[in-house]
Amino acid sequence: QQQVKQSPQSLIVQKGGISIINCAYENTAFDYFPWYQQFPGKGPALLIAIRPDVSEKKEGRFTISFNKSAKQFSLHIMDSQPGDSATYFCAASIPLNDYKLSFGAGTTVTVRA
Amino acid sequence: GAVVSQHPSRVICKSGTSVKIECRSLDFQATTMFWYRQFPKKSLMLMATSNEGSKATYEQGVEKDKFLINHASLTLSTLTVTSAHPEDSSFYICSASGQGGSNYGYTFGSGTRLTVV
Repeated sequence: QQQVKQSPQSLIVQKGGISIINCAYENTAFDYFPWYQQFPGKGPALLIAIRPDVSEKKEGRFTISFNKSAKQFSLHIMDSQPGDSATYFCAASIPLNDYKLSFGAGTTVTVRA
Repeated sequence: GAVVSQHPSRVICKSGTSVKIECRSLDFQATTMFWYRQFPKKSLMLMATSNEGSKATYEQGVEKDKFLINHASLTLSTLTVTSAHPEDSSFYICSASGQGGSNYGYTFGSGTRLTVV
């Protein structure tokens, strides 16, 4: 049973376009929401993260939007580049649960030049 | 900072043998380490959580006698796949957290591709 639901499963975007990935959760005890980028054959790398007291966080071309009341958060990749082609995972954790991460199913992003 | 080294990156072993995977925190003390398994085009599945000096806590459905986890020091955790079979072939990834580590709490290793033939 996946505690964090992620969509879409895959997306294709043109270079310079915007990639949007959405995640939803049910457990209101989650208090940390990171996004990870994973290239084939490599471990996940933290991209950006947010806590529920903030509605938006931006780091370079990557922005997290967080809607606490709707229990949803999303990743926006602005000005998408071919090097952004990877699989992206959203995740969430609970501090009292050893900070275990619950991962979404992943979204494979392909940026066409 | 906050680097986790995982070794080996790839390993091929014969069915019935055991394989050890190492996960080291290079520049911080990893009080907690997590071990994940990932199937092709799938998400990460948490196998177990280990705290330094304590027995690992395994997730439901993970055989603790098959996947032995040792976290004897603040910089090293090992996962040993015992009596490996082809169905154990997978991508194994560790992550670590602790004082001096990433401000976000977790740093992942680069993963180990295990192929059992």
